[in-house]
Amino acid sequence: SYVLSQPPSVSVAPGQTATITCKGDNIGTLTTHWYQQKPGQAPRRVVYDNVARPSGIPVRFSASKSENTATLTIDRVEAGDEADYYCQVWNSGGDILYVFGTATKVTVL
Amino acid sequence: QVQLQESGPGLVKPSETLSLICSVSGDSMGSSSYYWSWIRQPAGGQLEWIGRMYATGSDDYNASLKSRFAIMMDTSKNQFSLKVSSVSAADTAKYFCARGRSSVGFDYWGQGIQVTVSS
Repeated sequence: SYVLSQPPSVSVAPGQTATITCKGDNIGTLTTHWYQQKPGQAPRRVVYDNVARPSGIPVRFSASKSENTATLTIDRVEAGDEADYYCQVWNSGGDILYVFGTATKVTVL
Repeated sequence: QVQLQESGPGLVKPSETLSLICSVSGDSMGSSSYYWSWIRQPAGGQLEWIGRMYATGSDDYNASLKSRFAIMMDTSKNQFSLKVSSVSAADTAKYFCARGRSSVGFDYWGQGIQVTVSS
């Protein structure tokens, strides 16, 4: 089955840039979304359809993709950005239609 | 504003059947263009998509979870449900219901319900 790999953790100082990668075979061809999950809460979309931001999500959150890697970038990191982040793809035709990544814990130093 | 709310038992005995309900407001499931999914997350673990249902009654499941899972929809109550048969400790997790579509991901989620399988 399709696997999405993320680094377990990323640490960043306030005001700096956090970069979270999501690696998967040919992810560049798959519709990709990103979620933020804080402790005890449901996940919240921060990017959908590869690069789009839902209303209410700051422009500090952006995403990009290459052939085998999707990247979520958080500029000017704030303490409130500390959370787990998941990538997710639509794996049309696969045995698992919606695949989530392994999660990255972003720690704001 | 779309809202989803899970309900069901917090504790289930091994080998029994777990039944959860997701109540939806702000969208009419019977005419929605979205799919309705169940997703679970073990403590400290990653999200796992279980399955989805569409207004037409068509459904899809995570093939790796085999056939113990069943999703049904009651459009008259604007609810959909999840049944998990023959539960074991491995089914202990927080279960979320969510609305989604391939192009937009999961845009609305319930708060989740913790389910523990234990005798």
